[in-house]
Amino acid sequence: AAGVIQSPRHLIKEKRETATLKCYPIPRHDTVYWYQQGPGQDPQFLISFYEKMQSDKGSIPDRFSAQQFSDYHSELNMSSLELGDSALYFCASSKNRVTGELFFGEGSRLTVL
Amino acid sequence: SQQGEEDPQALSIQEGENATMNCSYKTSINNLQWYRQNSGRGLVHLILIRSNEREKHSGRLRVTLDTSKKSSSLLITASRAADTASYFCAPAYGNNRLAFGKGNQVVVIP
Repeated sequence: AAGVIQSPRHLIKEKRETATLKCYPIPRHDTVYWYQQGPGQDPQFLISFYEKMQSDKGSIPDRFSAQQFSDYHSELNMSSLELGDSALYFCASSKNRVTGELFFGEGSRLTVL
Repeated sequence: SQQGEEDPQALSIQEGENATMNCSYKTSINNLQWYRQNSGRGLVHLILIRSNEREKHSGRLRVTLDTSKKSSSLLITASRAADTASYFCAPAYGNNRLAFGKGNQVVVIP
């Protein structure tokens, strides 16, 4: 069965650079979520989209932005990167935005040097 | 805090034993979900229990939910070495926002 695809899987950037992460949800899933998990930390909700519109916003820094495109894939753009942005970034999708299980991708590991 | 708070944080058991993890939360939820994560990997959904349910089973997993105490428990029966992972409880609020807790590290010794 198709799963959530994230790219790139690993990314190394310098401070103050910009990074873009991509997420391809499971077909026919209309909701996409982004989570950030720092080393040894729990996943923190960043933002979610339903039918290409932002549906919820969590602890996403102003330096970050995200969108969902017409083909339902989503991109997380991170600018002016800081050392503290080093983390695993997970994308998840669901077919029930009100109440349902989330299917997570394998994550994109961002390292900021 | 909306986040789930697991207890205990780390658990080491022998293969074949049962493992129990507890989770508490602070405000009303739509449902509560449990996920597992192998080191550095993605989160895998295990089970979802709705706010009007009290107990749910899935294979060797048993989840309970007590909304009056705002707590949930996950029981893994007859544990296997492959169950070694971190287990997260995630209360779900509006817009299906999951509030993950810090997770339980479970080590099953063969």
